[in-house]
Amino acid sequence: AQRVTQPEKLLSVFKGAPVELKCNYSYSGSPELFWYVQYSRQRLQLLLRHISRESIKGFTADLNKGETSFHLKKPFAQEEDSAMYYCALSEASGTYKYIFGTGTRLKVLA
Amino acid sequence: DAMVIQNPRYQVTQFGKPVTLSCSQTLNHNVMYWYQQKSSQAPKLLFHYYDKDFNNEADTPDNFQSRRPNTSFCFLDIRSPGLGDAAMYLCATSRETGVPTQYFGPGTRLLVL
Repeated sequence: AQRVTQPEKLLSVFKGAPVELKCNYSYSGSPELFWYVQYSRQRLQLLLRHISRESIKGFTADLNKGETSFHLKKPFAQEEDSAMYYCALSEASGTYKYIFGTGTRLKVLA
Repeated sequence: DAMVIQNPRYQVTQFGKPVTLSCSQTLNHNVMYWYQQKSSQAPKLLFHYYDKDFNNEADTPDNFQSRRPNTSFCFLDIRSPGLGDAAMYLCATSRETGVPTQYFGPGTRLLVL
C-alpha cells in the first residue's frame, strides 16, 4: 500500500543550524513527491516539488529512489522557517490524489 | 487574488444535525478535493471531483456527501454528524496538467456538541 512516513513529529534546531526533515515513502510505481508547509494561522501551501528540482526559501529536497526517501534540507535555519511541514506523494498515473505524511513541526530557536 | 475560499471558518453543530461546509475558487481549476484532518494527523482525502465526475474514497463514510453545482463551488454535507467527525475540513483545487499542484483553502474547523 502507498504510504508516506515522517518519523519526527517535532524537530527543534537553533537558528543557523542545518535542518533535515525526513520523509520516506512506499509506492510501487514512479511517484511525484512534494513538500507542503503550513505557517502559523495560514493555509497549507506548496513549498517545493521534486520534479522542479528547485530551491525555495533555501530548502532543497532530492528524491532518492533507492532509499525511497525525499528528505527536506536547509543548510542554515531561520526563525521564520518555524512551521508544520508535510511530505506528500502523488501517483503519477493521473489520479490527481495525494497521500500525506503526518507532518513534522519545525521549531527554530533563537 | 485568485484563491480558494472556505466558509465558514468555524462551524459548531449538534450531534446528528446536518451541516454543510462550502468551498469556492477563483482559479478555474477543474479538480476539487475535500480532506478531513484531525489533530496531529495527516490530511485524509474524503473525495474529489474531476469536473463533474465524483470520486469517492473507499473508506469515506456514507455520512459524508458532496455537491459541485458548478466549476467554482463545492459543498461538503455531513448528514448526521457524530462526535468523531469533529475535525478541520480542507478544500483544495488543482488543474489537470501533468502532475498537479494542489491549492488549499484555509479550512473549516467543525465542532460537534
